[in-house]
Amino acid sequence: DAKTTQPPSMDCAEGRAANLPCNHSTISGNEYVYWYRQIHSQGPQYIIHGLKNNETNEMASLIITEDRKSSTLILPHATLRDTAVYYCIVRVRPDKLIFGTGTRLQVFP
Amino acid sequence: NAGVTQTPKFQVLKTGQSMTLQCAQDMNHEYMSWYRQDPGMGLRLIHYSVGAGITDQGEVPNGYNVSRSTTEDFPLRLLSAAPSQTSVYFCASNQGNVGTDTQYFGPGTRLTVL
Repeated sequence: DAKTTQPPSMDCAEGRAANLPCNHSTISGNEYVYWYRQIHSQGPQYIIHGLKNNETNEMASLIITEDRKSSTLILPHATLRDTAVYYCIVRVRPDKLIFGTGTRLQVFP
Repeated sequence: NAGVTQTPKFQVLKTGQSMTLQCAQDMNHEYMSWYRQDPGMGLRLIHYSVGAGITDQGEVPNGYNVSRSTTEDFPLRLLSAAPSQTSVYFCASNQGNVGTDTQYFGPGTRLTVL
């Protein structure tokens, strides 16, 4: 499974867009990019995933570069409740996720 | 649907004791997994199952046993607890289709081994 690199921490003002980057330069053609988040010490929560195309759902948008070596998770209007650790994961197998240490996003008033 | 449930929420053990962490899901998912999370770290896979009667080891299987006799349940057994097993344990389940499914996680069990 390809390795991902994320900044350890980021800040964002409430109401502004939060853009969380992820590098996955060794990703293979059949590997998906998944994003999860973990609020406090709760179980990780699925956000979004994609293969090649940009994706959007009610929580966030995922922008994947054309060469697929990096991606950005966008929370369009961050709220205090979005403060969490965000994990970018490259997934090829159905039976497991490989977690890194993620990005700790702090949303401030 | 209750989703993925785990019991107990908290547990304190003494070194050498054994115990079983319970995990159940009501989504009829074929795949179930156990992860542990140490402070400041991401989750690491302990064991996983791709269906009833089929289990396999993950990254950190030593000191743990699993079995899967039904689709719904996937208990994790600590054979002889050690302080290094102090951690938060998460159970997860999913359908098994990369690209279309997601893993659903339980609320976790916080285990302290003295």
